[in-house]
Amino acid sequence: NAGVTQTPKFRILKIGQSMTLQCTQDMNHNYMYWYRQDPGMGLKLIYYSVGAGITDKGEVPNGYNVSRSTTEDFPLRLELAAPSQTSVYFCASISTGGSNQPQHFGDGTRLSIL
Amino acid sequence: GNSVTQMEGPVTLSEEAFLTINCTYTATGYPSLFWYVQYPGEGLQLLLKATKADDKGSNKGFEATYRKETTSFHLEKGSVQVSDSAVYFCALSDRGAGAQKLVFGQGTRLTINP
Repeated sequence: NAGVTQTPKFRILKIGQSMTLQCTQDMNHNYMYWYRQDPGMGLKLIYYSVGAGITDKGEVPNGYNVSRSTTEDFPLRLELAAPSQTSVYFCASISTGGSNQPQHFGDGTRLSIL
Repeated sequence: GNSVTQMEGPVTLSEEAFLTINCTYTATGYPSLFWYVQYPGEGLQLLLKATKADDKGSNKGFEATYRKETTSFHLEKGSVQVSDSAVYFCALSDRGAGAQKLVFGQGTRLTINP
C-alpha cells in the first residue's frame, strides 16, 4: 500500500528555472493538498483540491500553480524559481473533507533554489 | 484568523522522563485538534486527535485533552523512549463545511537521550 508518493525527494534548481513536483495517491482520496515547511516553522498550505478539475488557493499560493486532471495526481508547478521557495514540500490527501479526518502525508520533496 | 502556538523547542529529555509539550490555539467556533509526529526523513503521521471539548486523544502512550476553557491541547507522555525522538506538530481544523484545512503550530523538536 503505497499511500501518498512524492517525486523527486531532493532537487536543486537555479534561480529562474521551472520544475514540477509530482504527487500521486492510490487511496482514491478526493481531497489533496500541497504544503511547504520552512525551517523551524509549521506547514503552510499552498493549494488544495476537492476533486478532479477543482483547485483552490491556500495561504501561500504566489509563485506556484497546480492542476488536478485525475483523482490520483496533483502536481505542483514552480514557473520561475526564487530563493524564497527553498523549502520542504509535502503533499497530503484525505478521503472526505470532514474536519476530524487525518490527512495522509507523503515523505516530502526537499527543494533548494540557488 | 485561526492560529496554533506551540512550546518552543528543542526539548531534550532523558529516557523514562515525563513529557509535556504545550499547545494553545485561537479559533472561531469549535475546531478539531490534532497532534502529528514527523520522524527524520519522513512525512507527518497522525499521532492522536480530539474533536470536541473534554475529549481525550491517546495513542502509543501519548495523551492530550481538548480544553475549551483554556483553548489548549497539551501533549503528555509518562515515560518517553529514545524512539520518541521526532518533531511534534499541533494542528487544528475548522469544523466548517468543505475542504478540511489544517493550521499548524511551528513544531517542537524532541530528543530523548538514553
